[in-house]
Amino acid sequence: DTGVSQDPRHKITKRGQNVTFRCDPISEHNRLYWYRQTLGQGPEFLTYFQNEAQLEKSRLLSDRFSAERPKGSFSTLEIQRTEQGDSAMYLCASSPLNQALSYEQYFGPGTRLTVT
Amino acid sequence: AQSVAQPEDQVNVAEGNPLTVKCTYSVSGNPYLFWYVQYPNRGLQFLLKYITGDNLVKGSYGFEAEFNKSQTSFHLKKPSALVSDSALYFCAVNDYKLSFGAGTTVTVRA
Repeated sequence: DTGVSQDPRHKITKRGQNVTFRCDPISEHNRLYWYRQTLGQGPEFLTYFQNEAQLEKSRLLSDRFSAERPKGSFSTLEIQRTEQGDSAMYLCASSPLNQALSYEQYFGPGTRLTVT
Repeated sequence: AQSVAQPEDQVNVAEGNPLTVKCTYSVSGNPYLFWYVQYPNRGLQFLLKYITGDNLVKGSYGFEAEFNKSQTSFHLKKPSALVSDSALYFCAVNDYKLSFGAGTTVTVRA
């Protein structure tokens, strides 16, 4: 399968703990995106990378959130000191650099985070 | 800021009947509009997009969408709905990142 993969698929953690999610994009895609989706809502943009450079961060991405894409391949999203409000589905997507506006983004299955 | 709106939270249709899911947009410049579908506990699947050209865009699984510049709309349509089309549908606009509508839950009854 050459699609976008995410790990883990589900994560249950206690409030105050740190969690890290991983995303492996489609191999030839330069752009990688993170979104957050809460129940009953559309996905909301968090941040995106072009190769290893983080080009934009949403105001939703508080100081407790950090994302990396160290070699321009996979990416990690870390949440420190989790809060119950962080409970959501975290989606990763990728797309090629060329025609970035017109090309569709391909999404992974998501990581569902539950903070207790 | 670019945005889309989906005025209907839910759409219910009988199998075999036409299905329409509405979307309106607000953009500056040329709109790059997309439709995605989400099945329970799964990621988003791309259905179709409007970039330029013909106002009627054809996509996956028999879906099509009509771009209407004067009404700033991009409605998703399917001539004959199937029970398997029951899912959550999202309209989105691309500005180097996707901005999604709130979603429309489609239920197709047998």
